Amino acid sequence: GAGVSQSPSNKVTEKGKDVELRCDPISGHTALYWYRQSLGQGLEFLIYFQGNSAPDKSGLPSDRFSAERTGGSVSTLTIQRTQQEDSAVYLCASSLTGINEKLFFGSGTQLSVL
Amino acid sequence: AQSVTQLGSHVSVSEGALVLLRCNYSSSVPPYLFWYVQYPNQGLQLLLKYTTGATLVKGINGFEAEFKKSETSFHLTKPSAHMSDAAEYFCAVSGSGAGSYQLTFGKGTKLSVIP
Repeated sequence: GAGVSQSPSNKVTEKGKDVELRCDPISGHTALYWYRQSLGQGLEFLIYFQGNSAPDKSGLPSDRFSAERTGGSVSTLTIQRTQQEDSAVYLCASSLTGINEKLFFGSGTQLSVL
Repeated sequence: AQSVTQLGSHVSVSEGALVLLRCNYSSSVPPYLFWYVQYPNQGLQLLLKYTTGATLVKGINGFEAEFKKSETSFHLTKPSAHMSDAAEYFCAVSGSGAGSYQLTFGKGTKLSVIP
């Protein structure tokens, strides 16, 4: 596609359930990022992929969070046993090489944990 | 390590007035600096980027920013605000070498434009 695509755009879940968020980056972009945006908190870095490997997972808040990327393309962010504090907008971005470049962002997934 | 501070979580200006959004950064290496804009229910879009060279950077939609190393600042300006400029603006910094992929964002400044 022409841009970064994220699905679903909205997800409402119950506390304790697992959720999967999907990101389709721009074709040919080797770098992929996940950020979390909470009200008044700006963008919090979660994880960075270069190809299929994740050299930096330092931003994942707990071991309930995991992410993978397959085929150098689609990425999935999984949150297990969701908590109310996980409620936020999860943004995915991609760039051609990941080095001091413009990031192209998706529109995000609004996650609400009840 | 790098960080970004945006002064003012909310800024209101009248239509036609000067827009000034402030950003100060901290970086242990020569920084790359960015301004992104986020319209409601959308992802972020790049407004402009500073790498090296000219310290005054021109971006899209009439915005520009000036890199001032002595003040560690990268403030965003626009001479005359339009209603369509109402959005949230984020300043970001990335480093060089091993940290060059890591983009650190400020907390954002929400701009309101009053007719």
